[in-house]
Amino acid sequence: GAVVSQHPSRVICKSGTSVKIECRSLDFQATTMFWYRQFPKQSLMLMATSNEGSKATYEQGVEKDKFLINHASLTLSTLTVTSAHPEDSSFYICSAHLGAGNTEAFFGQGTRLTVV
Amino acid sequence: AQSVTQPDIHITVSEGASLELRCNYSYGATPYLFWYVQSPGQGLQLLLKYFSGDTLVQGIKGFEAEFKRSQSSFNLRKPSVHWSDAAEYFCAVGPYSSASKIIFGSGTRLSIRP
Repeated sequence: GAVVSQHPSRVICKSGTSVKIECRSLDFQATTMFWYRQFPKQSLMLMATSNEGSKATYEQGVEKDKFLINHASLTLSTLTVTSAHPEDSSFYICSAHLGAGNTEAFFGQGTRLTVV
Repeated sequence: AQSVTQPDIHITVSEGASLELRCNYSYGATPYLFWYVQSPGQGLQLLLKYFSGDTLVQGIKGFEAEFKRSQSSFNLRKPSVHWSDAAEYFCAVGPYSSASKIIFGSGTRLSIRP
C-alpha cells in the first residue's frame, strides 16, 4: 500500500518556540493532505485540509496563524506550530489520499509534541 | 449532520473469545465506511473498508465487518482475538472523493484478558 511518512515522531520544545512537522507521501503524489490532532484517549479531530499550491482550509475553531500549513509540492505538506504553549502538546497525524476517486486515506505514524 | 458513534469506550475480552465492536453512523448520502486500528503512540492502519457491493467485508488480521443500511451500522467482528489485537479501534465515514473529510468515531479501546 501507499506510504505516508511523518517526521519527527517525537519532539519536545520550549514554550514560545515554533515546531515544524513534515508529512510526505513516499510513493505517490497527493494534491490533498489532512492534518489531525488527537488528545489522549480521544478520537482524531480534523484541523485542516492542506491543498497543494493553495491555502489550507481550516476547520472551525482552529487558529490559522497558530498552525501554519504549507503544501509546496505534491509529496510534502508541513504543519508549523508557532509560539507553542503547553496546551499545544498533543499527537498530530497527517493523512493523504491516492488520488481522484479514491477516498482511502493513508496515515502517517504521527508526531508526539510536548511543549515544556 | 454527519456523525459516527461508537457506543463502547472500552471493551475487555478473553484471548480466543469472539469480538464485536459497534459502530453507528449518520450520513446524508451513501456512506463509505472504514475501520482503523491504532496501537499506542502510533498512526492508524486500515483494517477494512466498504464502498459498495457485498455488505460483509473482509479485512486484514482476520477482521470482518457487516454493513446494515437499515440499522445504520457497520460493526466490526473477529471470531477469535489474539493478545496482539489490543489497541484502539476507530470507525470512520466519508464520501467518495479524494479531497473529502473522513469523520471518525470516538474510538473503542480493546483490552485482551490472558
